[in-house]
Amino acid sequence: QLVESGGGVVQPGRSLRLSCAASGFPFSSFAMHWVRQAPGKGLDWVTLISYDASNKYYADSVRGRFTISRDNSENMLFLQMNSLRPEDTAVYYCAREDADYLDLWGQGTLVTVSS
Amino acid sequence: DIQMTQSPSTLSASVGDRITITCRASQTIRSWLAWYQHKPGIAPKLLIYEASTLQSGVPSRFSGSGSGTEFTLTISSLQPDDFGTYYCQQYHTYPLTFGGGTKVAIK
Repeated sequence: QLVESGGGVVQPGRSLRLSCAASGFPFSSFAMHWVRQAPGKGLDWVTLISYDASNKYYADSVRGRFTISRDNSENMLFLQMNSLRPEDTAVYYCAREDADYLDLWGQGTLVTVSS
Repeated sequence: DIQMTQSPSTLSASVGDRITITCRASQTIRSWLAWYQHKPGIAPKLLIYEASTLQSGVPSRFSGSGSGTEFTLTISSLQPDDFGTYYCQQYHTYPLTFGGGTKVAIK
């Protein structure tokens, strides 16, 4: 399973770090993603990290502000979010990739960017 | 970016009805399409990948078809547990993109 944590209320311009704890599967063998859902909106892909962290991809809307990372020894995925904007307000989901589709998702953690 | 367009955006149907959701891609994505079910407060669930392959454990009343730019998700006999929002997602090209969702309600 996947369990996200680290969400909360943060002021615009500040930072937040999300975590995703993986269990029940060989975490180090899978690429991982973050996907978000703004209030009342649909799903929006954010970023991907390969199984060994050698490759990372970002949506244009977060490139340069967000950084994805992982610790395979601890079965953990992270999302460092800097320079947060009100439009980053969303539920953030971590998801496991199987051949580019997402076959396992967490329940999400809510990030609210507001002054 | 590849744009994914779903229709309808909302759908209300009775238990036992056959329903179909359509997803259109702005350019060809071959068969690199997945369908997900999402209920409030619950992790999204993969239903179908590669346009028509049923994910393990997903009931056989769900089916997918299509290739290129036109795809459909069909529920052959709607059940009470099938409420929620359904999303298509292309994985032909990054960035991955999702359709806007189809909210299914049970009458």
